[in-house]
Amino acid sequence: TQLLEQSPQFLSIQEGENLTVYCNSSSVFSSLQWYRQEPGEGPVLLVTVVTGGEVKKLKRLTFQFGDARKDSSLHITAAQPGDTGLYLCAGGELTGGGNKLTFGTGTQLKVEL
Amino acid sequence: GAGVSQSPSNKVTEKGKDVELRCDPISGHTALYWYRQRLGQGLEFLIYFQGNSAPDKSGLPSDRFSAERTGESVSTLTIQRTQQEDSAVYLCASSLGTGNEQFFGPGTRLTVL
Repeated sequence: TQLLEQSPQFLSIQEGENLTVYCNSSSVFSSLQWYRQEPGEGPVLLVTVVTGGEVKKLKRLTFQFGDARKDSSLHITAAQPGDTGLYLCAGGELTGGGNKLTFGTGTQLKVEL
Repeated sequence: GAGVSQSPSNKVTEKGKDVELRCDPISGHTALYWYRQRLGQGLEFLIYFQGNSAPDKSGLPSDRFSAERTGESVSTLTIQRTQQEDSAVYLCASSLGTGNEQFFGPGTRLTVL
C-alpha cells in the first residue's frame, strides 16, 4: 500500500506569516495533486504537477514536485485567514483502471488575524 | 447539474442497519470514484467506475460494502450491517476520464450509533 505522509499535521499561524507543508512518500507517482478542503465540502483541486522538479505558482502559493517524483511541498507566502482549511496532497497512478489517487494524511491550517 | 451532488447530506443510523448513499456525477463524466474520510484525515479510496469497464473494488474495506453505477450516471454505495467504525464522511468524485481532474461532491456524513 502506498502511503503519503504530510507534515505538519496541524499548523496555526498569524496573518502575514509564511509556511510550508510537506508531502512525502517512498513511492513514485505519475502526478501529484494538491487540494484544499473546507468544512462540509469536498476537496477542491489547487494544482497538478507531473514532472520531477516542476515548480508551479498560483498567486501566493508555490508548489514543487520532487526530482524523484516521491515528494512535494506547498509554500504559502503572507498567509491570510481565507487560506484556512485542510490541505491534502494526492499521488496519482495511471493504471489500466484509470487515475487512482492516494491521498495524504492532511494538514489542517488555521490563519488568525 | 453544475457539480457533483450527493444525498443525503447527513445520515444517522443504528448499528446493524443497512444504508444507501447516492451520488449524481457531473453530466458527461465517465469516471466516478467513492472515498471515505474520517474526521480531520485524508481520503481513503473505496471504488472506481470507468465507463462500461469492470469497477476497481480494491479499496472496499469489507464485503459489507458494495457499489453500483447505472451506465454513466447515478451511483449508489451500500453499507450492510453498519458498524460504529463505518462512521465517516463518504465522498464521491467524477472526472471526464482517465487522468483528468476529479471533481468532488460535498459528501454524506454517516453516523452509526
